[in-house]
Amino acid sequence: GAGVSQTPSNKVTEKGKYVELRCDPISGHTALYWYRQSLGQGPEFLIYFQGTGAADDSGLPNDRFFAVRPEGSVSTLKIQRTERGDSAVYLCASSLLGSTTQAFFGQGTRLTVV
Amino acid sequence: ILNVEQSPQSLHVQEGDSTNFTCSFPSSNFYALHWYRWETAKSPEALFVMTLNGDEKKKGRISATLNTKEGYSYLYIKGSQPEDSATYLCAFITNAGNMLTFGGGTRLMVKP
Repeated sequence: GAGVSQTPSNKVTEKGKYVELRCDPISGHTALYWYRQSLGQGPEFLIYFQGTGAADDSGLPNDRFFAVRPEGSVSTLKIQRTERGDSAVYLCASSLLGSTTQAFFGQGTRLTVV
Repeated sequence: ILNVEQSPQSLHVQEGDSTNFTCSFPSSNFYALHWYRWETAKSPEALFVMTLNGDEKKKGRISATLNTKEGYSYLYIKGSQPEDSATYLCAFITNAGNMLTFGGGTRLMVKP
């Protein structure tokens, strides 16, 4: 596709459930980022992939959060045993070569844990 | 934890006013600074990628400057229009990694 695509656009889940959020980056972009934005704050880094490998996962808040990118393209962010504090907009971005080239963002997935 | 701060947090201006806001970041280990515009219900859109001290970039009525020695960047909007209303985010990258560390953003509202 022409841009970064994230699905679903909205997800409401019950506390304790498992969710998966998907990101389709721009074709050919090797760098992929996941960010989380809580109300009133700037995006918070979660994880960065270069190709298939997680080059930096230092932003994942705890072991309930996990992300994969098995073929170096589509990425899935997985959250186990969701908590109300996980409610946020989850943004995905991709870029061609990393941090000196501009990143293109998807529209985000709004996750609400009730 | 890197401290990237943006000021002001929000700004209301009249159509036609020129305005500017600030992004402050650590002056050591600088690698790049990005500016983004994020309109409600849309994806953040890249405005500028800045890498060199003294860089000045311009895109239409929007321009940005960069001072890596003192750790700040200014974003200027000349003759604000209602369609400029958005949250403007800066993001800092160190030479130790590739992640973007975002500031909290400046929310701009331009009244017609």
